[in-house]
Amino acid sequence: DAGVIQSPRHEVTEMGQEVTLRCKPISGHDYLFWYRQTMMRGLELLIYFNNNVPIDDSGMPEDRFSAKMPNASFSTLKIQPSEPRDSAVYFCATTSAGGDTDTQYFGPGTRLTVL
Amino acid sequence: AQSVTQPDIHITVSEGASLELRCNYSYGATPYLFWYVQSPGQGLQLLLKYFSGDTLVQGIKGFEAEFKRSQSSFNLRKPSVHWSDAAEYFCAVGVFQKVTFGTGTKLQVIP
Repeated sequence: DAGVIQSPRHEVTEMGQEVTLRCKPISGHDYLFWYRQTMMRGLELLIYFNNNVPIDDSGMPEDRFSAKMPNASFSTLKIQPSEPRDSAVYFCATTSAGGDTDTQYFGPGTRLTVL
Repeated sequence: AQSVTQPDIHITVSEGASLELRCNYSYGATPYLFWYVQSPGQGLQLLLKYFSGDTLVQGIKGFEAEFKRSQSSFNLRKPSVHWSDAAEYFCAVGVFQKVTFGTGTKLQVIP
């Protein structure tokens, strides 16, 4: 298995531009998580899906952030408009829950820089 | 809500020395506990996990962790550290699929 695939690996954009981050989960995994990692705040859960349905989006910082999962093989995290404080590494992680909570498999991340 | 504390931001050990990374959690019951490792520029990788049963858990790369309910702790240990263990280590608590990560401990290994 190729693991969790994220694209792009690096994104540099200017303030005010729309940014779309993409994630392809491991086949068969029914949970998908989006995290943001910064030096100041550490690793924060933004939103997670179960069977393509958003379950908890309480970590989404504001309305500029949106996430979708149109099918079991693809998810996007969109920031519109982007701001310099959105600069971070964004991780996608997936799991196939056999119980209460199970191992999450992380993608390599997308390093976003907003100028 | 659950929370997890890693009191050590940065630890330096000599190669071949033993290692212990501390983790304390807060939750009303016994949660699912994890240790993940992150190498520079990469995502997190699971080292080990505890759900129930034997409180001493073995993981990959020679790591182990011990769950102590009375202390709400889940410390990570390794008897002999290798230079390749230099990375950042995250303790995590999971409840109903929602995982909360600690702030991480960065491990430096010196020759």
